Formats: sequence, C-alpha cells, structure tokens
Amino acid sequence: DAGVTQSPTHLIKTRGQQVTLRCSPKSGHDTVSWYQQALGQGPQFIFQYYEEEERQRGNFPDRFSGHQFPNYSSELNVNALLLGDSALYLCASSRLRANEKLFFGSGTQLSVL
Amino acid sequence: GESVGLHLPTLSVQEGDNSIINCAYSNSASDYFIWYKQESGKGPQFIIDIRSNMDKRQGQRVTVLLNKTVKHLSLQIAATQPGDSAVYFCAEIKNTGNQFYFGTGTSLTVIP
Repeated sequence: DAGVTQSPTHLIKTRGQQVTLRCSPKSGHDTVSWYQQALGQGPQFIFQYYEEEERQRGNFPDRFSGHQFPNYSSELNVNALLLGDSALYLCASSRLRANEKLFFGSGTQLSVL
Repeated sequence: GESVGLHLPTLSVQEGDNSIINCAYSNSASDYFIWYKQESGKGPQFIIDIRSNMDKRQGQRVTVLLNKTVKHLSLQIAATQPGDSAVYFCAEIKNTGNQFYFGTGTSLTVIP
C-alpha cells in the first residue's frame, strides 16, 4: 500500500514564475491538505480539498490555488513566485471524518531564486 | 532530559535515557492532538494521538500526557535511541474540522 506520494521532490524556480506541485493520497483517503513548511518552522496550513472542492483555507494569498481530481489526487499551484515562497511543501491525506490523523508525503522542496 | 517546547527548542539526551518533550497548545476547545516526528528531508511521521476525553495514552516506548487545565501536552520517549533524533511537533485540531495547527517543534538529539 503506497502512502502519500508527491512530485517533484525538488524544484528550482525564479521570481515571477509559476509552479505546480502534485500529490497522490494514501489509498482509501479522500481528503488532501497542503502545508507550507519554512526552514525551522512547523507546517502552516494552506488549504484542504474534498470532493474536488476547497473546504478550508489558511492565511495564504490567492496566488496559492489548488485542484483535486476525481481520483482524489491533487495539485498545488503558486503564481508570481516570491523569494519568500521558498519552503518545503507538504501534502497530507486523510478521510473526511472528524479528527482523523493526517498522513504526510515527503514533500517538495521549492527554491525560488 | 526535558524541554519546554516554546522556550527550549532543542533537547539533547544520552542514549538509553528517557526524553520528555513539552508543548503548550493555544485553544481550550481543541479536542484532538497528535505528535509527529520529522527527520531531515522527510515529511512528518505520525507517532501517537490523544483525544480530549483522555489524559494519557501509551504506545510502543512513547506516552502522551494531556493536561487540559493548563493546555499542556507532553511526549515521553522511553529508553531513547539514536534513531529517535528528529524534530518533534505537536498538532491540535481547533474544532474547525480536519485543520491541524502545528507548534514550532522541538529538535531532539540523542548522544550515543
């Protein structure tokens, strides 16, 4: 049983560019959440997708957008990249029930130059 | 060894000793808590969870204690091993449904 898989593992972009990160949830999971983790910090919630719709959103600008596909996989898009967007982007999956633990992927390390 | 997460973000312990990692959470309405372990270059890995109707839960070599009165969570690791070296995060659900809030984390170093 594959866990949460993310691609790519590393990415280098320049300011102003756009990036798309991908995530496949753990088998049996229907909900995908995205987190941004800056160096030395805890993960910060970006948004959560269920049934192909954004259910909840953290304090991130509209440059951050996402999508969930019928097979529950998800994409995170970031437009007009800033230097401060450099971080580890984590995808986590779960089942949509109250208080279900999250299973995380290994993340995509994004560097913006 | 013992740490207070927000004031002492690093903890060093001797191999074989017990470790205690502490976390102060922010919302008295939070009803579910998880401890995660994150090794360098990897995503957070689930260790143990506890719901607000409990004050203690034990796993293999780990114990989580919850004190709702003072909004405090702790993770105890028995007989700490070099493989336990990592950053440990506590996470809480603030009653908004599946949205976890993570603390800053505590870096644990085990000295052989």
